[in-house]
Amino acid sequence: KAGVTQTPRYLIKTRGQQVTLSCSPISGHRSVSWYQQTPGQGLQFLFEYFSETQRNKGNFPGRFSGRQFSNSRSEMNVSTLELGDSALYLCASSLGLAGAPYNEQFFGPGTRLTVL
Amino acid sequence: TQLLEQSPQFLSIQEGENLTVYCNSSSVFSSLQWYRQEPGEGPVLLVTVVTGGEVKKLKRLTFQFGDARKDSSLHITAAQPGDTGLYLCAGARGVQFYFGTGTSLTVIP
Repeated sequence: KAGVTQTPRYLIKTRGQQVTLSCSPISGHRSVSWYQQTPGQGLQFLFEYFSETQRNKGNFPGRFSGRQFSNSRSEMNVSTLELGDSALYLCASSLGLAGAPYNEQFFGPGTRLTVL
Repeated sequence: TQLLEQSPQFLSIQEGENLTVYCNSSSVFSSLQWYRQEPGEGPVLLVTVVTGGEVKKLKRLTFQFGDARKDSSLHITAAQPGDTGLYLCAGARGVQFYFGTGTSLTVIP
């Protein structure tokens, strides 16, 4: 079974630009979560999508947005990039079933975004 | 405020030594996961513990879930340089996951 894939792996942008990151979950997983990871803040939750709907949201400004398609693939968009947006962006997928005894998340390799 | 606190934050040990990493919370979780992450890569799931008091062993790694399902520990026996990495715990409450602050482990040959 293929794992979670993320594209691109590396991105360099300048301040003010916008960027779109892509994530393909494990086959059969309907939940996709996005995280931002920086050395100072650790792993910060951005949002989670389940069956094309945003189900949970972290505490990030509206410049960060996402969407999920009918095949469960997800994209994350950051507009008006700031220097502080430089980070490793991680996508994780899970079955995401609310009634399940437990859920497990599996991560992709991440996209390293550098804002100059 | 972080829901899960890990300790220690940094750990540097010699090859062959034993170590324990702790993951503590005042909240109850339905399950708890441990991940290892190498620089520039995504976290890799090591184990999921579900039942209070559960102990799981993965070769030299022993994971324990607290009786009250609020805390967990990871014990590594005879650490090797390949164990070097960032160890993250994550507690699940329903479909939401809460990550710990991380423990950066360096094993010196």
